[in-house]
Amino acid sequence: DSGVTQTPKHLITATGQRVTLRCSPRSGDLSVYWYQQSLDQGLQFLIQYYNGEERAKGNILERFSAQQFPDLHSELNLSSLELGDSALYFCASSSHDRLNTEAFFGQGTRLTVV
Amino acid sequence: GNSVTQMEGPVTLSEEAFLTINCTYTATGYPSLFWYVQYPGEGLQLLLKATKADDKGSNKGFEATYRKETTSFHLEKGSVQVSDSAVYFCALTYMNRDDKIIFGKGTRLHILP
Repeated sequence: DSGVTQTPKHLITATGQRVTLRCSPRSGDLSVYWYQQSLDQGLQFLIQYYNGEERAKGNILERFSAQQFPDLHSELNLSSLELGDSALYFCASSSHDRLNTEAFFGQGTRLTVV
Repeated sequence: GNSVTQMEGPVTLSEEAFLTINCTYTATGYPSLFWYVQYPGEGLQLLLKATKADDKGSNKGFEATYRKETTSFHLEKGSVQVSDSAVYFCALTYMNRDDKIIFGKGTRLHILP
């Protein structure tokens, strides 16, 4: 168990809809990352938050947005969903202290857009 | 910019074979280097890491040495098992508070009994 919790584990929704994915980082970790994993694109970095502030943006579509709340949990909002958005969405957290820079991943949310 | 390049898969080996998965990186300064493993149906988990040049990370029989002169961090295992079948990701980051972790595209490994 990595200590990172993602909900829901599975999500099936229709095109055009909007969904929210939730992530609770490991206790004490300030950084949260979101990644999208699809068969053809591999692991794509979407966005990073550090202590509530956006720190880095990757290949995140304008239809997607995220935020990190004061209690450090994060949500990824996906809107106007398309078939191609079907993928595994991973959240990871890290503390970024000097000796512990690695990320800890949740089990992922499998999104299926039909 | 910083990047990680790893060999494309899939890699298929027989049980007890020797494994090498190549990883090279482009980065300024001294990043920390990692190998993550993703077993079927699961999230990524840290396999091993090295935080400075010439460090060797090791875990579960896997090893990788941080080679700054060749900017490489190749993953090796002397005798693979069927249970090692997974996707392996090389990654780097810096020990600063807001640096993102950069992953390679992943290498799928199949071990045949």
